[in-house]
Amino acid sequence: NAGVTQTPKFQVLKTGQSMTLQCAQDMNHNSMYWYRQDPGMGLRLIYYSASEGTTDKGEVPNGYNVSRLNKREFSLRLESAAPSQTSVYFCASVWNSNQPQHFGDGTRLSIL
Amino acid sequence: DQQVKQNSPSLSVQEGRISILNCDYTNSMFDYFLWYKKYPAEGPTFLISISSIKDKNEDGRFTVFLNKSAKHLSLHIVPSQPGDSAVYFCAASQGTYKYIFGTGTRLKVLA
Repeated sequence: NAGVTQTPKFQVLKTGQSMTLQCAQDMNHNSMYWYRQDPGMGLRLIYYSASEGTTDKGEVPNGYNVSRLNKREFSLRLESAAPSQTSVYFCASVWNSNQPQHFGDGTRLSIL
Repeated sequence: DQQVKQNSPSLSVQEGRISILNCDYTNSMFDYFLWYKKYPAEGPTFLISISSIKDKNEDGRFTVFLNKSAKHLSLHIVPSQPGDSAVYFCAASQGTYKYIFGTGTRLKVLA
């Protein structure tokens, strides 16, 4: 019963390197999300995909790109990593609006 | 502009007592509210939700109260147990696919 799977779980990058965070869900959910969690800041929405083929910006999209590869997969790309992007990144999915989201266990990303 | 606020970063409660976690919001268009629990090194897990057409929703030891006029919701945990020690996030949505989260409250239940 996998739910939402994120890879990798941990990653250390150097400033300027690029990286793609992967997310896959097996619940046939329509909508998928990327959040970042920073101390004292809660969960902030980076990008979301309401349905396959659509993506929209959230609260903090700068420095990130996303791809909704198919209904199951939603990836987050850092083209040129910066120390300010050091964070824990969570992927989530939901069947429809006004329903609870299901979260993965996060990717801990450090940028030196 | 923080639309969902949890003003208490932390809370300590004795085992067996009531824990009350609070959340305030500014957007009157929000119509669906949720509480999540998060343990270290894990993703948030859904706890309980409430629609704006209700003012109370119960699930076992957990009750969420919604006061629309005050734009305030609270989570009551009775009785509190050591396993409830975690970070609790409230979240809100306005019928779209966007969910806005608060900054979290760390609950510590003392045995």
